Amino acid sequence: ELQLVESGGVLVKPGGSLRLSCAASGFTFSNAWMSWVRQAPGKGPEWIGHIKSKTDGGTTDYAAPVKGRFTISRDDSKNTLYLQMNSLKTEDTAVYYCTSDLDGGPRHWGQGTLVTVSS
Amino acid sequence: DVVMTQSPLSLPVTLGQPASISCRSSQSLVYTDGNTYLSWFQQRPGQSPRRLIYKVSNRDSGVPDRFSGSGSGTDFTLKISRVEAEDVGVYYCMQGTHWFTFGQGTKLEIK
Repeated sequence: ELQLVESGGVLVKPGGSLRLSCAASGFTFSNAWMSWVRQAPGKGPEWIGHIKSKTDGGTTDYAAPVKGRFTISRDDSKNTLYLQMNSLKTEDTAVYYCTSDLDGGPRHWGQGTLVTVSS
Repeated sequence: DVVMTQSPLSLPVTLGQPASISCRSSQSLVYTDGNTYLSWFQQRPGQSPRRLIYKVSNRDSGVPDRFSGSGSGTDFTLKISRVEAEDVGVYYCMQGTHWFTFGQGTKLEIK
């Protein structure tokens, strides 16, 4: 059974840093394009970035609100996706989901991890 | 950026009746490979989003056939042929042609 399990969400002060992890199982992680999608309280989902498989170059792309502050990486030997978040702002408060992407969109989603940015 | 606009934002439906949600994109979603990357997601209360439809009209595995998608270019529709109680939630369209952008959501409730 395919599973995506996010972890690392906590309460952090503005300007702080945080790293989220997503443990993948039940599929060939190294072949998958993976994304991070967040959802602020009471709002719709917002794609924040993705990482291609190493076969397809392993490159990353980011949405404008997080570009230069967030970094997505992967460790295929550990079947794990990461999201490094720096210079956090109150507007980054959200549930963060990792997704495996297929046919032009997030096919499978984790249960999400809550990040709260507040002083 | 591509803007996705859904209507209506609230959709009260009687059990067993059909429902329809419209989604319009600010630019064409036809990609250079000829595919149109428009997906539909369902988010039940307290759950993660779940993809229902990809590439306009393809149902993901396990999705009931009462859900169908149609459209082309910039105008798309999700239809539920007969609404059931388990369909309550928020529905989002999403374009995957120019990165990923979601619509603002349509809340389906039982009348």
